[in-house]
Amino acid sequence: DGGITQSPKYLFRKEGQNVTLSCEQNLNHDAMYWYRQDPGQGLRLIYYSQIVNDFQKGDIAEGYSVSREKKESFPLTVTSAQKNPTAFYLCASSMGGAGETQYFGPGTRLLVL
Amino acid sequence: SQQGEEDPQALSIQEGENATMNCSYKTSINNLQWYRQNSGRGLVHLILIRSNEREKHSGRLRVTLDTSKKSSSLLITASRAADTASYFCATDNPGRRALTFGSGTRLQVQP
Repeated sequence: DGGITQSPKYLFRKEGQNVTLSCEQNLNHDAMYWYRQDPGQGLRLIYYSQIVNDFQKGDIAEGYSVSREKKESFPLTVTSAQKNPTAFYLCASSMGGAGETQYFGPGTRLLVL
Repeated sequence: SQQGEEDPQALSIQEGENATMNCSYKTSINNLQWYRQNSGRGLVHLILIRSNEREKHSGRLRVTLDTSKKSSSLLITASRAADTASYFCATDNPGRRALTFGSGTRLQVQP
């Protein structure tokens, strides 16, 4: 089955700790995206990547980092610099440019201990 | 930045009724898309309407676009309890390399 997967489903972070959220797709899509969603809110763009080995900051990149070493994978690290990390994180991919339909993973809920 | 703003923020209707959600945006677009999100899940694409289109249908969904008013509406006809979800509009804007999502409308369909 083609699709986009995220793991883990739930993640707990301790004070001062970096945590990494996984996102994998087997849709052969060039573009991948990370969004943050707070309760009752819309999606805010953290980072996006149009092609392997290239990525760009979105609207709320501070305290986050990404890598795109493989076409299939776009992991997101929430660093200790992100002071309010509790949120629902969604990864998406699309065939090409910004206007293409995006396909979303099931999300990871990050909670702070 | 949140360009799309949905209205109403929440909507509760009875099964069988029609549901209408509106989206307003601020700058020019290439296309506008509607997505659905069930509670605690990822988003699912519903329909895409291009800036030169005025209306589009897909099953029980009807989307209109008025670029002069910078607004779009999503109509769900003959709603079902399974339509209960949040609905988001997303705009593709010239010069921006990612979609911009609105804040969403939470639809509750009572059986």
